[in-house]
Amino acid sequence: TQLLEQSPQFLSIQEGENLTVYCNSSSVFSSLQWYRQEPGEGPVLLVTVVTGGEVKKLKRLTFQFGDARKDSSLHITAAQPGDTGLYLCAGPSRGTYKYIFGTGTRLKVLA
Amino acid sequence: DAGVIQSPRHEVTEMGQEVTLRCKPISGHDYLFWYRQTMMRGLELLIYFNNNVPIDDSGMPEDRFSAKMPNASFSTLKIQPSEPRDSAVYFCASSSTGPYITSGASGWETQYFGPGTRLLVL
Repeated sequence: TQLLEQSPQFLSIQEGENLTVYCNSSSVFSSLQWYRQEPGEGPVLLVTVVTGGEVKKLKRLTFQFGDARKDSSLHITAAQPGDTGLYLCAGPSRGTYKYIFGTGTRLKVLA
Repeated sequence: DAGVIQSPRHEVTEMGQEVTLRCKPISGHDYLFWYRQTMMRGLELLIYFNNNVPIDDSGMPEDRFSAKMPNASFSTLKIQPSEPRDSAVYFCASSSTGPYITSGASGWETQYFGPGTRLLVL
């Protein structure tokens, strides 16, 4: 069974700090997506990475897909309260196209 | 665009009652997904439709759960009878394109999620 483990599970930081969250698996994924979910809302897609070693930037967010395509990271520079939310990674299960979602990282940025 | 619309946003019911959750996908989207989110199990796909036809329902937990899509703009997820362990947030999502396969990559294009229905079964 393919699993996506995210760490840390919870993170509370001050505005302006940098942080990195991780998404790890023992299985290879052909692509990975990152979502942010705000309280009371559904997840919103942030980025899709498809190539091993790929780095994508979205303003203050930097996403990296591991060379072996078994892991990914999300780095936020100078976090802001608006970054608060649940961050989920997801990838298509092997053999089907159903998305497996990670365990999630709940981020709180304090003003 | 109004986005994916779900109703009700909150539902409290008693064990044994029938619960019906409703979803209106984004107009023009041919794929519709039902997910369930709990603290213990995270976000899980229950079923998805393509052009109103159920394609994969292997995530539906048991026969108490059923989903229909009578037309391109409406879907329901029904639980009958409901049990306390069904308490969760249920999301509907839609996508304009199906799964893609390229050399070395596969997956879905963007899935747009609704705001969810928070269900509490007492």
